[in-house]
Amino acid sequence: GQNIDQPTEMTATEGAIVQINCTYQTSGFNGLFWYQQHAGEAPTFLSYNVLDGLEEKGRFSSFLSRSKGYSYLLLKELQMKDSASYLCAVEGWGKLQFGAGTQVVVTP
Amino acid sequence: DTAVSQTPKYLVTQMGNDKSIKCEQNLGHDTMYWYKQDSKKFLKIMFSYNNKELIINETVPNRFSPKSPDKAHLNLHINSLELGDSAVYFCASRPERGTDTQYFGPGTRLTVL
Repeated sequence: GQNIDQPTEMTATEGAIVQINCTYQTSGFNGLFWYQQHAGEAPTFLSYNVLDGLEEKGRFSSFLSRSKGYSYLLLKELQMKDSASYLCAVEGWGKLQFGAGTQVVVTP
Repeated sequence: DTAVSQTPKYLVTQMGNDKSIKCEQNLGHDTMYWYKQDSKKFLKIMFSYNNKELIINETVPNRFSPKSPDKAHLNLHINSLELGDSAVYFCASRPERGTDTQYFGPGTRLTVL
């Protein structure tokens, strides 16, 4: 099975940087995904890591350490529209298991 | 162009009724999924189909029965609805292999009264 832990909520100001941590325990690891979900909407894909290291995509970066069962999503230059829930998801044995999500609140 | 679509978007019904939710994807993907997101926003996989064949069936009550008439469609039928079935149900699709992500439909908000 898979256990995925991430903080429930984080608050940051516009223009700042926020780092959302995700720790996991899994068998048959086949990659880690980060999704963004605005209230009342579907999750949308942000990033994918399968090898150790940092993946950068514009203002968003994601890091993975497989030996530590650890990932983080880094959001830079925060904008008000970044207020959303961020879901860490681990793939193993053909299944994508999601964490409970981290609600990020961006304040002016 | 809509990639993954679901109908209906909202569904309000009485306990004990039977209802269906439909999902269609026009991405040519081989694999489709049903997820349930409860009031605590926890997204949990229910079923997965690959080319019309059931490949993942999590511990879901047998009141839930998925049906895939072809690889572009995956419907979810729910019998004898219970209060605890109230949730948002998301359909998703994905190419069979590779690092491609899953593409989610807009969700169906089911409320059981």
